[in-house]
Amino acid sequence: KQEVTQIPAALSVPEGENLVLNCSFTDSAIYNLQWFRQDPGKGLTSLLLIQSSQREQTSGRLNASLDKSSGRSTLYIAASQPGDSATYLCAPTVGTSYDKVIFGPGTSLSVIP
Amino acid sequence: EAGVVQSPRYKIIEKKQPVAFWCNPISGHNTLYWYRQNLGQGPELLIRYENEEAVDDSQLPKDRFSAERLKGVDSTLKIQPAELGDSAVYLCASSAFNSPLHFGNGTRLTVT
Repeated sequence: KQEVTQIPAALSVPEGENLVLNCSFTDSAIYNLQWFRQDPGKGLTSLLLIQSSQREQTSGRLNASLDKSSGRSTLYIAASQPGDSATYLCAPTVGTSYDKVIFGPGTSLSVIP
Repeated sequence: EAGVVQSPRYKIIEKKQPVAFWCNPISGHNTLYWYRQNLGQGPELLIRYENEEAVDDSQLPKDRFSAERLKGVDSTLKIQPAELGDSAVYLCASSAFNSPLHFGNGTRLTVT
């Protein structure tokens, strides 16, 4: 059974800092991996999707990397802004049926102005 | 493009009462998911549909939960009877093949 963990559980940084969020998964046989953002009381918004054949994916100030062999992914946020405050969740797609998406518990990020 | 629409947004019921949630996915998305999210945790998959077929319902508590996806478009998730432990946010998501999931805003269920 795929287990997904995220470290740290919570993070508070001053505005402008670069930061890294970590995700680990126990089964390296994944199809792809997604990073999501969730604002309080809202659904999840997809940020980046990395295919299993890719090493990284970039969107604006966000960069996600994937190391399947070690079961790890990182989300790098450059020049953080107060608007980045949210919970960030990673979600590998696993199993023999390619659309089973399993979520980690998330990292709660607070960017202080 | 219109997003995933869920209703109601909030629901408060007494235990043992029935409740139903509705989801309208993004047009053209064949895959539809129902997730349950408890406070401080990531979403947990309840059921996944490919068109109108439930291809993964291994996590659905079948004694009290049921779901359907008529004509491979809209979906409903029902709980009967509800228990206190069912209080959570119920999220619906849809996707095209090998594409990101798109989530609705969820239904926050409180069972008293």
